[in-house]
Amino acid sequence: AQSVTQLDSHVSVSEGTPVLLRCNYSSSYSPSLFWYVQHPNKGLQLLLKYTSAATLVKGINGFEAEFKKSETSFHLTKPSAHMSDAAEYFCVVTTNAGNNRKLIWGLGTSLAVNP
Amino acid sequence: NAGVTQTPKFRVLKTGQSMTLLCAQDMNHEYMYWYRQDPGMGLRLIHYSVGEGTTAKGEVPDGYNVSRLKKQNFLLGLESAAPSQTSVYFCATARDLSYEQYFGPGTRLTVT
Repeated sequence: AQSVTQLDSHVSVSEGTPVLLRCNYSSSYSPSLFWYVQHPNKGLQLLLKYTSAATLVKGINGFEAEFKKSETSFHLTKPSAHMSDAAEYFCVVTTNAGNNRKLIWGLGTSLAVNP
Repeated sequence: NAGVTQTPKFRVLKTGQSMTLLCAQDMNHEYMYWYRQDPGMGLRLIHYSVGEGTTAKGEVPDGYNVSRLKKQNFLLGLESAAPSQTSVYFCATARDLSYEQYFGPGTRLTVT
C-alpha cells in the first residue's frame, strides 16, 4: 500500500539557518514525488518534483530535495531560511502503474521562521 | 490565460441547502481534482476525473457529487449541506497523474 508520512507537523528555524522538512513514503511502484507550498491564506504552488530523473532535485526559491530509494525518503532542504519561507509544506506521492494509480498527500509541515 | 479558476470564492449556506462549485481550466489538462482542506488534516481528495465524461471517488466522497460534461469544467455539488462540510475547497488540474497539479485559488464554504 502507498503512504506518505511527513515526520514533523511543525518546524521552527531562525532566519539564515538551514531548513529540513522530512518526508518518508511507501510505494510498491516507482513513485513520482512532489513538494508543494502554501503561504497563509493562499493557494498551493509546486516547489519541486521528482519523476525518475536526477535524484537531487532543485526547485524554486532555493529549495531542493533528494530522492533516496534505500531510505524511502524525499526530504526538503534549504541552506538558509528567509522570513518569506514561513508557510505550510506538503509532500505528495503518485504512482502511475497500469491499474494501480494512486495520489497521496502528506498532512503537511508548518514552517515558522524566527527573526 | 486564466489557468484554473473557481467560482464562487466565498459562500455561506444553511444546513440542508444545496450548491454547486465550478472549476474551470484553460490548460487543456485531462485530470481534474476536487480537494477539501481542514486544519490539521492536509488536503483530502473528494473526487477526481481523468477525462471528459469520467469521474471517480477519492478519499472522502460522501455527501458530494461531481460532473465533467466538458473537458474544461469540473463541478462539485453538495445536495444537502451539513456543518461538517464547512471547509476550504480547492480544485486542481494536471496533464496526468505523474505531472504537477495546478491549483485554483480556493472556495471558502461555511455551513451554519
